[in-house]
Order: sequence, then structure tokens, then C-alpha cells
Amino acid sequence: DVKVTQSSRYLVKRTGEKVFLECVQDMDHENMFWYRQDPGLGLRLIYFSYDVKMKEKGDIPEGYSVSREKKERFSLILESASTNQTSMYLCASSPGTGITGELFFGEGSRLTVL
Amino acid sequence: KNEVEQSPQNLTAQEGEFITINCSYSVGISALHWLQQHPGGGIVSLFMLSSGKKKHGRLIATINIQEKHSSLHITASHPRDSAVYICAVHLKTSYDKVIFGPGTSLSVIP
Repeated sequence: DVKVTQSSRYLVKRTGEKVFLECVQDMDHENMFWYRQDPGLGLRLIYFSYDVKMKEKGDIPEGYSVSREKKERFSLILESASTNQTSMYLCASSPGTGITGELFFGEGSRLTVL
Repeated sequence: KNEVEQSPQNLTAQEGEFITINCSYSVGISALHWLQQHPGGGIVSLFMLSSGKKKHGRLIATINIQEKHSSLHITASHPRDSAVYICAVHLKTSYDKVIFGPGTSLSVIP
């Protein structure tokens, strides 16, 4: 079974702290995504990556950065957390660009910024 | 107008009932996904389809590309089916851009 693993299910951070959310997939997928999910707004794409060291901004990249140094790992970084970044963060992966593949999601990381 | 819409927004059913959730979209797609999210949990892919119909256990998904419409049916519903069901479409672009619907919250009462 494909597995997408997110490092933390629940995090509580203070305003201004740097936050790292890690995501690892074990199916050699080229595409990896970071979404945030908020009530009434659904899933919104923050960043995605279609290859190692490649990244593209999604719909709401402000306040976030990403890192993909290895194919299996895609990290989301909040340089200076703010209260409006309190949300559920979901990582997903899918097969490579040009292949419309099934999406596989992690369990989610619920971040609270105080 | 949202590019992917779902109806109903909320649905309460008695155990055993036949349930239909609808999804309509306004963009060109290469595939459509039906996803399930239990409270507090991650998202699981139920179906990916680009034409016709797929069946898995008590779940059936259909898509009409010409009408830009898909339905998810649950036969003999059970309380464990209670979840949010999300329709998502894969756009015909150079990368895997996916647009998600707002979700339908289903509650099945014993």
C-alpha cells in the first residue's frame, strides 16, 4: 500500500516561531503537494513539487516555503508562524507529471498557533 | 461561481438508505476523484474515474463527461459511512493541478 506519512498529527506553536511540517511517501511518486484545509474553504493548494528541488506556488503560498531535497520527502516551512496559519495541513502525492494518477493523502497535521 | 460544486452540502440518512451525492464542474478535466474524510482523519481516495462507472463494495461512482457531472452512490448505508465526501477534478494542464469541491457532510443514523 502507498503510504504518505506526516511527521506530526498535532502541533502547538507560538506566534513568530519557525515551524517545519514533514511529509514522506514510499511509492516513488514524482508529485507531492501541500494543502491546508479550513472550515468553509475546503482544501487549498499551498505548494507542490513535481521533482526533486522543483517547486511551484499554489493558490495560497504567502507565508510558506517548501523544500524537496529528496524525492520521497517534501517539507513545508512556516518561517514565522502567525495565528491565521492555524489550520489542518495535508500532504499528498501522486504519480508523475502527465500521468493523471490517484491521490494519496497523509493523516494531516493540525497546527495551532497561539 | 466555484469550478467544482457539490450537493447536498449536508445529508442525514437512516441506516440502510440509498444515498446519492452529486458533483458538477465547469472546467475541462482529465479525471475526477471521489475522496472520503472521517472526522479528525486523513483523506482516502475512493475512486478515480474519467468515464462511465466504477463500483467498489457498496459504493458506486458514475461520471458523464458531456454533462460535466458525477454522482457517488452508497447502497445500504451504515453509520460507519458517516464522513465528508469530497469531489475533486484533475485539470487538463501540464501539471497535476487538482480542484476540490467543498465537500458533502454525511451522517448516517442507526
